Parts: sequence; structure tokens; C-alpha cells
Amino acid sequence: KQEVTQIPAALSVPEGENLVLNCSFTDSAIYNLQWFRQDPGKGLTSLLLIQSSQREQTSGRLNASLDKSSGRSTLYIAASQPGDSATYLCAVLNYGQNFVFGPGTRLSVLP
Amino acid sequence: DTEVTQTPKHLVMGMTNKKSLKCEQHMGHRAMYWYKQKAKKPPELMFVYSYEKLSINESVPSRFSPECPNSSLLNLHLHALQPEDSALYLCASRQVEGDQPQHFGDGTRLSIL
Repeated sequence: KQEVTQIPAALSVPEGENLVLNCSFTDSAIYNLQWFRQDPGKGLTSLLLIQSSQREQTSGRLNASLDKSSGRSTLYIAASQPGDSATYLCAVLNYGQNFVFGPGTRLSVLP
Repeated sequence: DTEVTQTPKHLVMGMTNKKSLKCEQHMGHRAMYWYKQKAKKPPELMFVYSYEKLSINESVPSRFSPECPNSSLLNLHLHALQPEDSALYLCASRQVEGDQPQHFGDGTRLSIL
């Protein structure tokens, strides 16, 4: 059974810092891995999708990497801003076409 | 604004009521999903419709029943719910071909009295 974990569970940083969020999964047989952002009481906003054959994806200040063999992905946020405050979730798509989510990292960026 | 539309945004119902949650997308996606999310927890998959074929998370109780009238719509029928069913219910869709990302709606906040 696929299990997804995320470290840290919560993170508080001053504005302008670069930061790294970590995601680990136990079964490397995945189609893809997707990073989401969720604001309180809202739905999920897709940030980046990395296909199993890819090593990384970039969008603006965000960069996500994938090491499928070791079961790890990182989300790098450059020059953090207060508007980046949210919960960040990673999800893996298994070959059974089911998504499994990690518990999330709650990020607070202080002005 | 999201490309996946969920209605209603909020729903309060008693344990004996029957209600339905609706989800609609017009992106031509052939897979649609229902998730349940409790506070400060990740979404948990309930149902998947992929090419009109239903897959069920076996832990979901029978008081939840999905319906897919067509490829753009996915309803979730609710009957005789319990207080522990209070949660945010999220719908998502995805284009299966080409390894595309999931797109989520804003969810329905459900409260069971």
C-alpha cells in the first residue's frame, strides 16, 4: 500500500527566504507526482506535475524535483512572500489510477 | 475561478435528510473524482469515474452513492449521514491521456446536525 509523508509538518519563515518542502513515498511504481497548494477552507490549486520520466519541473519561483528510485520529491520556493502562506500537499498517482496524498506542510511566511 | 464547479458551496443537513452534491467540468476530462477532507487532514479518495467506469474506495459507507449522468457531471447522493461525515467534499477531474494534472473544485462544506 502506497504511503506518502511530508516533512516538515509546519514551517514558519521570514519573508524573502528560500525554502524546501519534502515529500516521500514508499512505492516507486508511480505515474506522476503533483504538488498542490490549499488555502484554508478552499479547494486545491495545482502547482506542478512531474511525470515519472522527468527529474524536475519549474514554474516561476517554484521548482519541484523527483527522484523516483529513492521515493522522494522536493518543492523549492524561492524568495518567499506572505502570499505563499498556505498548506502544500504532494500527491502520487499509482498505476491503479488512484491518487494518494501526503499530510501536507503548513507554511507561514511572515512579513 | 476554478474550471471544476461544485454546488452548493455550503450545506447543512439533518441525519434523516437526502441531499446531493454536484460537480461539473467542461474541459472534456474523462476521469472525475470525489474526495472527503477533514480539517487539517489530506483529501481521502472516495470514488473515481474513469471512462464511465466506477471505482470505489471500499471503506466508504453506502450512505454515499455517486452518479455520473454524463462525462461532464458527477453527483454525490447523501442519505442518512452521521455527524462524523461533516467535512469538505472535493471534486476533481483529469484528462487521462497524456498524463495530465488533476483539477479541483472549491469544494462543498458539509455539516451534519
